[in-house]
Amino acid sequence: AQTVTQSQPEMSVQEAETVTLSCTYDTSENNYYLFWYKQPPSRQMILVIRQEAYKQQNATENRFSVNFQKAAKSFSLKISDSQLGDTAMYFCAFVVGLTSYDKVIFGPGTSLSVIP
Amino acid sequence: SAVISQKPSRDICQRGTSLTIQCQVDSQVTMMFWYRQQPGQSLTLIATANQGSEATYESGFVIDKFPISRPNLTFSTLTVSNMSPEDSSIYLCSVEDPRTLYGYTFGSGTRLTVV
Repeated sequence: AQTVTQSQPEMSVQEAETVTLSCTYDTSENNYYLFWYKQPPSRQMILVIRQEAYKQQNATENRFSVNFQKAAKSFSLKISDSQLGDTAMYFCAFVVGLTSYDKVIFGPGTSLSVIP
Repeated sequence: SAVISQKPSRDICQRGTSLTIQCQVDSQVTMMFWYRQQPGQSLTLIATANQGSEATYESGFVIDKFPISRPNLTFSTLTVSNMSPEDSSIYLCSVEDPRTLYGYTFGSGTRLTVV
């Protein structure tokens, strides 16, 4: 079965500090895509960062970066210089395959609070 | 990225009634996905809607309870039928964004409360 695990239900970080959210997943496939989504209280799901499994280089988007360890099936998110607007639920997710017919598997989420 | 307009943003409904949620996308997309997010939970896929064919439902979801329409490549509706308090959730539609390779864009969600 394809699953996503986020072992940290809740985390907090001081403003301007760095925090890392963990994610592990399970799949027997070799080609897949990994995502981190942010859901603030407005409930809008926002794509934070995406990683293609065939790429060894870790993806970065401004203050957000990932540590992708394919062999370990680990996909952690690092947020640098945390800002109050980063307070949200963060969902790790992946999708297998290269067509539009594949569904996204979401983890249970990590609630991140940025403390002023 | 694609822009999805989802309506209504929230509603309070009486048990036994039905609510239809609409999603309009600003570009043509092959597949649209409908999710349920129960309070404090992650997203659960309800069904996948392909234009011109019947939706494909996930285990635990049936067409009689969650009928879906997909009349064209930019629009879809999800109906929550014969509602009970257990249906109180956030419902979201999503598309694979053609302008963001393998990024999925979501509507703003519909917060449904059944009383």
